[in-house]
Amino acid sequence: AQSVTQLDSQVPVFEEAPVELRCNYSSSVSVYLFWYVQYPNQGLQLLLKYLSGSTLVKGINGFEAEFNKSQTSFHLRKPSVHISDTAEYFCAVSSFSGGYNKLIFGAGTRLAVHP
Amino acid sequence: NAGVMQNPRHLVRRRGQEARLRCSPMKGHSHVYWYRQLPEEGLKFMVYLQKENIIDESGMPKERFSAEFPKEGPSILRIQQVVRGDSAAYFCASSPAARDSYEQYFGPGTRLTVT
Repeated sequence: AQSVTQLDSQVPVFEEAPVELRCNYSSSVSVYLFWYVQYPNQGLQLLLKYLSGSTLVKGINGFEAEFNKSQTSFHLRKPSVHISDTAEYFCAVSSFSGGYNKLIFGAGTRLAVHP
Repeated sequence: NAGVMQNPRHLVRRRGQEARLRCSPMKGHSHVYWYRQLPEEGLKFMVYLQKENIIDESGMPKERFSAEFPKEGPSILRIQQVVRGDSAAYFCASSPAARDSYEQYFGPGTRLTVT
């Protein structure tokens, strides 16, 4: 069975500092990997995705993530955060089985950017 | 192109009442997924539907919960005889086809409060 572990439930950081949000997954088959962002009382917005190809994936709002197959990780990074990046971030995994993809989400990491 | 629409955005029900949550997928999308987010948790898959068919309901509680996606109109998630533990945010996502089901677009969610 697939699972996703987000290692930090909360990450406080100062504005303009770099940040890394960690995500590990387990799966016995090839997977697709995703990062979503959820602003307060809103739905999920796709930040970036890894389907195949280059292991370094660039997304919106200056975020990027690196797929590491040997470590089964897909950590999210940003070199300099803004106050507006304060939100909940979810890592998700899916694989094509039974004719479709089902997304499995981690528990989320709350990023709090302080001035 | 309008995104995924959900209504109502907020719903308050007393214990024992019924809750009906509606989801209109993006134009051209015929696949709908429902997820539940309990407080302080990630999203959990509930059910996957295509027009007039339930494909996978492995995440649905066995009792009181049902879902449909009729030929015409929105998808409906129905919860009968609600209990306090049903209080959560319910998100709907849609995709254009099964082979593209990794590309799920999320609605803003319905926040259900059971008093």
